[in-house]
Amino acid sequence: GENVEQHPSTLSVQEGDSAVIKCTYSDSASNYFPWYKQELGKRPQLIIDIRSNVGEKKDQRIAVTLNKTAKHFSLHITETQPEDSAVYFCAASPPPGNTGKLIFGQGTTLQVKP
Amino acid sequence: NAGVTQTPKFRVLKTGQSMTLLCAQDMNHEYMYWYRQDPGMGLRLIHYSVGEGTTAKGEVPDGYNVSRLKKQNFLLGLESAAPSQTSVYFCASSSGFNEQFFGPGTRLTVL
Repeated sequence: GENVEQHPSTLSVQEGDSAVIKCTYSDSASNYFPWYKQELGKRPQLIIDIRSNVGEKKDQRIAVTLNKTAKHFSLHITETQPEDSAVYFCAASPPPGNTGKLIFGQGTTLQVKP
Repeated sequence: NAGVTQTPKFRVLKTGQSMTLLCAQDMNHEYMYWYRQDPGMGLRLIHYSVGEGTTAKGEVPDGYNVSRLKKQNFLLGLESAAPSQTSVYFCASSSGFNEQFFGPGTRLTVL
C-alpha cells in the first residue's frame, strides 16, 4: 500500500524566514496531495492541496510543489510568523480514487521564533 | 452548521471494557473516516465508509469495528479495549476526492 514519509520531524526558524517541509510517497498512482495544519489541542485543517496534473500551487505565503517523476512534494511557507507555529501533515490519496482516503506522513512540528 | 462533531471528548477505560465513539456530520457528506493520532506517527486510518451501509478497512483496523447505518453518523467500536488503543481519535468527512473536515477529537485512555 501507499507509504508517505515526511521530513524533517521538527523545524525551527526565525520569524520572517522561509520554511520547507518535504514528503515522498510510494504509489505512483496517487493523485491528490493535501497539506493539513494542526495547532496544539485542535483538529487538523486543510491549508493547501495539489492534484497530480499540476506542478505548483500558491496561496498567499504558502505554496506546494509536486514532482511526480521523483514522487515527492513539498510545502513552502515564506515570511513565517509566530502563528505559523503548528504541526503540519502531508498526505497522499492512493487508488482507487473513489474512496477519498488519505495516507498521512508522520508530521512536522514547526516553531517560529519571534 | 455544526460541521463534524464527536462524542465523547474524553474517556478512560479499563483493559477489556468496550465502548463506542460517535461521529456525526451535517454537511451531507458521503465519505467518512476514523483516524487515530499517536505522537510521532501522524494520523493513521482505521476504517472508512464511502456511503450509508458501507465500511472498509484502513491501515490499522485490528481491534476496531465500525458501522454506518445512517449517512450522517459513523460509529467506531472497541469490543475489548487494550492499553495500545490509548490515543486521540479523529473522525473526518468529505464529499469525495477533496478536503476532509475533521471533528474535534476524542482522547481515550485505556488503563
